[in-house]
This record gives sequence, structure tokens and C-alpha cells, in this order.
Amino acid sequence: AQSVAQPEDQVNVAEGNPLTVKCTYSVSGNPYLFWYVQYPNRGLQFLLKYITGDNLVKGSYGFEAEFNKSQTSFHLKKPSALVSDSALYFCAVRDRFKTIFGAGTRLFVKA
Amino acid sequence: NAGVMQNPRHLVRRRGQEARLRCSPMKGHSHVYWYRQLPEEGLKFMVYLQKENIIDESGMPKERFSAEFPKEGPSILRIQQVVRGDSAAYFCASSRADQIVEQYFGPGTRLTVT
Repeated sequence: AQSVAQPEDQVNVAEGNPLTVKCTYSVSGNPYLFWYVQYPNRGLQFLLKYITGDNLVKGSYGFEAEFNKSQTSFHLKKPSALVSDSALYFCAVRDRFKTIFGAGTRLFVKA
Repeated sequence: NAGVMQNPRHLVRRRGQEARLRCSPMKGHSHVYWYRQLPEEGLKFMVYLQKENIIDESGMPKERFSAEFPKEGPSILRIQQVVRGDSAAYFCASSRADQIVEQYFGPGTRLTVT
């Protein structure tokens, strides 16, 4: 069965510093990987996806993610964090028609 | 092109009442998926529907929960005799028949059971 793991419950970073939110996956076959962000009491917003192609995927709001097959990772990154990036981030993998979500990582960006 | 619509956005029910959550998929989408997010947790798949068909309901609780997607109108997630543990955010997603990888999520309905 497909699964994703987000090893960090929380990530703290200072504004202007680079941020990384980690995700590892376990899939059979080719992975379809996604990152979503959720602001308090709001719905999910799609950030980016990896289906095939370049390992570095660029998404919304300056975020990017690197697909690493050998390490089975799909870490989310941003070169310079903003306070407004503070939110809950979910890594996800598609298992046929189901989206399997990680437990989420809460990002705090301090001014 | 409007996105996935869900209503109501917030729903308060007393224990024992029924909750009806509605989801209107994006235009041109015939597949609907329901997910539940318990407090401080990730989203969990509940059910996958096409028009007039339930394709997979492996994530649905065995009792009190049902879902439909009629030929006309929105998809409905129905919870009978709600209990406090049903308090959660319920998200709907939709996709086209030929692109089920591309699922678009709605804003969610936050159900509070008092």
C-alpha cells in the first residue's frame, strides 16, 4: 500500500531563512506525489505535484519540491520563508483513486 | 470556472440529529471523493463516487454514514444520529473521469456536534 511519512510535527524557521519540510514515501510503481497547505479553519490549497519528468518541481507561492527516488523523499523547500507561510503542510501520494495524506507538519515562521 | 463547492461551511448539530453535507463538483467533473479530517490529524479517505454509483467506500464507518451522488444535483454525505466523535472537517474533492490523478479539493464543511 502507498504511504507517506512526515517525520516532523513542527518546523520553526526565522523569516528570510530557507525552509524545508520533509516527506518520505513508500509506493509500489511510479509515485504521484503532492504537497498541500492548510491555513487555520480553511480548506486545502494545492501547492505542487510530481507525476513524472524533472525531479525539481516548482509550485505556488515560491515553493518547490525535490523528488529523490533513491532516498524515496519529496521534501518541500522555499529559499526565503515569510511569516505568512506559517500553516499546516501535508504531503500526499495518490493510491489509484485515493489520496493518502501524511499527518502534517506545522510550520512556524518567526519574524 | 468555479471550483468545488461545499455547503454549509459550518454545521452545528446536537447529538442524535442528522447531518447532511453537500458537495458540488467542478464543471465537467463526474467523480467525487469524500475525506474526513479529525482535529489535529491528516485527511482520511472515506468514499469515492461516480454519478449514481459508489465505487469504493472502504473508508466509511460501517454505521450511520452514507453517501450518494445522484444523476442531478450535488453529492451528499449523510451522517445519522451524530455523536461527538463525528466532529471534524469533511472535505470533498472532484476529478474528471479521464484524470482521476488530478483531484481538486473544496473548502470543507466543519461539523460540530454538541
